[in-house]
Amino acid sequence: GDSVTQMEGPVTLSEEAFLTINCTYTATGYPSLFWYVQYPGEGLQLLLKATKADDKGSNKGFEATYRKETTSFHLEKGSVQVSDSAVYFCALSDRDNAGNMLTFGGGTRLMVKP
Amino acid sequence: GAGVSQSPSNKVTEKGKDVELRCDPISGHTALYWYRQSLGQGLEFLIYFQGNSAPDKSGLPSDRFSAERTGGSVSTLTIQRTQQEDSAVYLCASSLPGANYGYTFGSGTRLTVV
Repeated sequence: GDSVTQMEGPVTLSEEAFLTINCTYTATGYPSLFWYVQYPGEGLQLLLKATKADDKGSNKGFEATYRKETTSFHLEKGSVQVSDSAVYFCALSDRDNAGNMLTFGGGTRLMVKP
Repeated sequence: GAGVSQSPSNKVTEKGKDVELRCDPISGHTALYWYRQSLGQGLEFLIYFQGNSAPDKSGLPSDRFSAERTGGSVSTLTIQRTQQEDSAVYLCASSLPGANYGYTFGSGTRLTVV
C-alpha cells in the first residue's frame, strides 16, 4: 500500500537558518505530492504541490521538487522566520486509489527561535 | 461557501453523552473526509464520502461512531456514549474529483470529554 515517511521532529532552528524536512514515499501508482502546514490551533492548509516527476512546487518561500528516482519530496526554505513555526505534513494522492484519498506522513513540528 | 466550515469549534461534553459534529464543505466538492487528530499526534483517517455514499468506513474506531452526508453537501459525524479517549480535534476536508487537487480543510472541532 501507499505510505509517506517524514523525518521526526521537533526541528528547532534559529531565525534565518536553512530548513530541510525530508519526505519519502511509496506508491503503487503515479502519485501527486503535497505539503500541508498546520499553524497552532488551526486546521491544515495546502502549502504546495507537484503533480509529476521533476515538478517543483513553491509557495511563501518554501520549495519541494518531485523526485521520482529517489521517491522523495523534501521541503526546503532558505531563511526561516519565527512565523514559520508550525507542523508540516507531507502527503500523496495516488491516481490508482479510489476516492483520491490522501495518505499523510506523521507530521514534523518546526520551531523557529528568534 | 468560500471554505470548509465546521461547527462547533469547541465542544465540552460529559462522558456518556452523545455529540454531533457538523461539516459544511465547499460548494461543488463531491468528496468529503473526516480525520481525527489527538494532541500532538498525526492524522487518523475516519471516513470519506463520495456524494452521499461512504465507500470507505474502515477508519471508524468503534460502532459508537457514525457519519452521514445528505444532499451531497453537509456531513454530520456522531459519537455516541462519548469516552475520554474520544477527546481530540476532528477535522473535515473536502475536494474536487481528481488526484491533483488535494484537500481543503476546515478549522476543526476540538472535542473534550470530561
